[in-house]
Amino acid sequence: DTAVSQTPKYLVTQMGNDKSIKCEQNLGHDTMYWYKQDSKKFLKIMFSYNNKELIINETVPNRFSPKSPDKAHLNLHINSLELGDSAVYFCASSQDLVEFFGPGTRLTVL
Amino acid sequence: KNEVEQSPQNLTAQEGEFITINCSYSVGISALHWLQQHPGGGIVSLFMLSSGKKKHGRLIATINIQEKHSSLHITASHPRDSAVYICAVRHNTDKLIFGTGTRLQVFP
Repeated sequence: DTAVSQTPKYLVTQMGNDKSIKCEQNLGHDTMYWYKQDSKKFLKIMFSYNNKELIINETVPNRFSPKSPDKAHLNLHINSLELGDSAVYFCASSQDLVEFFGPGTRLTVL
Repeated sequence: KNEVEQSPQNLTAQEGEFITINCSYSVGISALHWLQQHPGGGIVSLFMLSSGKKKHGRLIATINIQEKHSSLHITASHPRDSAVYICAVRHNTDKLIFGTGTRLQVFP
């Protein structure tokens, strides 16, 4: 029933580890996004994909690699995690400019 | 300076009060969004507008393209309206640029 889902909801890991966050949407949208919300609650776009093709890469370190196996999925893989990567990561999809957000994944790097 | 500025940053109100949150932007846009983020963290899109005014229940959003300004109004506010309200503009490059949010608390 959920429109945009993300897993896991919480992720606690050590510095230097590699982790992935998965995102799926069942709305049939062509465009999907990853956003990062920092400790001050400021949201910023990271990536945008349209129909599996990368459209926006917002100067994100190349430790972050999005992967879109199909139109309904946009996963985020992060290598060599750093303390500054701690944040809430939101996946979203859109059609006709209206955005639908996933519930967020709270990543804590220790 | 952020390309999208909101005011106030924090707002407290008594139940029943009329609330206004303002948003100014400095870039070319194709649309402006108002989002609501609940204390639990979920983000919901309230409005998308590119001109004029939209109303949904007790919420009203207006935009003035010439002045690059938008307002979100809440009539007859209620404690369940307590949330962070975020203005975001759809830049001409198609990416969303977010304001810093307005934290609203409505007390009974």
